[in-house]
Amino acid sequence: DQQVKQNSPSLSVQEGRISILNCDYTNSMFDYFLWYKKYPAEGPTFLISISSIKDKNEDGRFTVFLNKSAKHLSLHIVPSQPGDSAVYFCAAKGLSQGGSEKLVFGKGMKLTVNP
Amino acid sequence: DARVTQTPRHKVTEMGQEVTMRCQPILGHNTVFWYRQTMMQGLELLAYFRNRAPLDDSGMPKDRFSAEMPDATLATLKIQPSEPRDSAVYFCASGLLDRPNQPQHFGDGTRLSIL
Repeated sequence: DQQVKQNSPSLSVQEGRISILNCDYTNSMFDYFLWYKKYPAEGPTFLISISSIKDKNEDGRFTVFLNKSAKHLSLHIVPSQPGDSAVYFCAAKGLSQGGSEKLVFGKGMKLTVNP
Repeated sequence: DARVTQTPRHKVTEMGQEVTMRCQPILGHNTVFWYRQTMMQGLELLAYFRNRAPLDDSGMPKDRFSAEMPDATLATLKIQPSEPRDSAVYFCASGLLDRPNQPQHFGDGTRLSIL
């Protein structure tokens, strides 16, 4: 039973356009959400996060939106750059995981930004 | 930038052999995590430590896997005996989780192949 779902395995966009990566979750006890980016042969790198008390968090070209009623979050990258091409993981955590620091990850989505 | 260091980066061995993976967390970080990444399951938490004490190893097969932190600069994950289904990328992550919702920082992983 997957608690964090990234239903689209891949996305391709043109440089300069907006990339929108989606993530759905099923556990209403999740209270903190993170996005990680991963290049081949490297470990995931933290990108941006959002607490459940907010509905938006912005950091430069990256914005994460949280819709708690829909149990949905999205990552917007604008403008997209070729260097953004990577696999993006959505992750969530909450007290229901038996320990406040346990992260549950989605399976990732591969973003390709074409020059 | 400080990084989590994992060794070896690659390991190929035969079924039944003992495998030891090592992780040097970022200096000063108090929490260390072990994850396994497979195509089918994605990123799964195996175990984690806080101040060198094991907090949760519920994600780890107990009969063959063991995780330890002999000191603050070294975490180990052992598999004995190894099986082909253990083939995966194993990531270590660390964090200074002195307050809630601090990100975890990942190493570049050990790619393990059991023949």
